[in-house]
Formats: sequence, structure tokens, C-alpha cells
Amino acid sequence: GAGVSQSPSNKVTEKGKDVELRCDPISGHTALYWYRQRLGQGLEFLIYFQGNSAPDKSGLPSDRFSAERTGESVSTLTIQRTQQEDSAVYLCASSLATVGAYEQYFGPGTRLTVT
Amino acid sequence: AQSVTQPDIHITVSEGASLELRCNYSYGATPYLFWYVQSPGQGLQLLLKYFSGDTLVQGIKGFEAEFKRSQSSFNLRKPSVHWSDAAEYFCAGRMEYGNKLVFGAGTILRVKS
Repeated sequence: GAGVSQSPSNKVTEKGKDVELRCDPISGHTALYWYRQRLGQGLEFLIYFQGNSAPDKSGLPSDRFSAERTGESVSTLTIQRTQQEDSAVYLCASSLATVGAYEQYFGPGTRLTVT
Repeated sequence: AQSVTQPDIHITVSEGASLELRCNYSYGATPYLFWYVQSPGQGLQLLLKYFSGDTLVQGIKGFEAEFKRSQSSFNLRKPSVHWSDAAEYFCAGRMEYGNKLVFGAGTILRVKS
């Protein structure tokens, strides 16, 4: 079946502009995660959604970052007033559930460049 | 603090040689542990995982990893490396309720012919 998809694959924006990144999880996966990967570094957790529960926003680096998810479908990560330090690859992942030992399946990522 | 450490930023091995990538974790209990591989321009692909039970786990592409509680380690191994194994490898741990993964900084593997 289809994997996790993300769009756009690349995004170049000017400093101060807002951007929206989209993630389509695997059908039936109730949990969805956003991570950020800066050049030469590992992945940093940003936020996750599990069904209708309140999202865990503990990884969001500032109030310029927000995310939404409608039910168990698409999620959008929004970065307002982008800064150069926001340049990174943003990866989305989904899994069957958060309780238990279900592995996360990752999308190809969106490469964001802030000029 | 909960963390995952990959001590080697880069490793170069000859094709056909054996490989071991190191991973250490810091956590008060035994986390769930994963190895992922990322090829250029690609997302992360799960190689293998450890939850409990047998401490030697087998994964895809001929990889295996051994969990050693006494050393807080989960090293990845492959007996004979192929040129197509050149990629970046990430060790990750799930250390608390919620399934959030903590990643190491990654090890870039280069394979020379």
C-alpha cells in the first residue's frame, strides 16, 4: 500500500514569510509525528497526534510553529515568520498506535530553505 | 537525561568487509530501540527493532543488532558490506510513554571498492 507522503518536497521561502507543510499518513495509522532534521544532525521531535487526544506539542521550538490534524488523516505543519534557523528537512511519520511497540514509518520529507 | 549517542560521525569500510556501528543510550530502564537507514534524498527506512526477548535481532538487508544491557548499547552489524549500503544510519530509542523517538546524530557509512 501507499506509504507516508509529504508535500512539497522542496520549499524555498524568504525570511519572515509563513509556510505550510503537508503530511498524508498511511491509511489506518492513528498516530502521526513531525520531526525536524537539521543539516548533519539527527532528528528532533516536534509534535505528535494520537486520534482525538490532545497533541503532544512538547518539541515545538517556538510559538511560531503549529500543527493541525483532522481526525486520522492529513496533518499540516505551519511555520510563521520563518527564520534562517528554520532551514531543515521536516519529516513526518505515522504508526498504528502509541501504546505498544509499533514502529514509525517515515515520509521522504520536505526540505525547507529560508533565504 | 534520556539520550541516544552514536560516537562515530563517519565510518569508511571496504566492500566485503564487516561493519559495526555503535549506539549507546541513556535511560533508567530498557527502551525500545531501532535502527533506521537514510539514503540521500530518501526518508528513513526501518532496519530492525528491539523490544524485549532475544538480545540479538535480525533485520532487513542482512543487518543484525545486539542489545547489551550492561553496556547500554545496541550496536548494528553486518558481516559483509555491499556498496549499496552506503548511507546514513540512525539509532533511535523510545524511552517514555507516547512513542516519541529520541534519535542519535547519525553515522555516515562510506563503502570503498
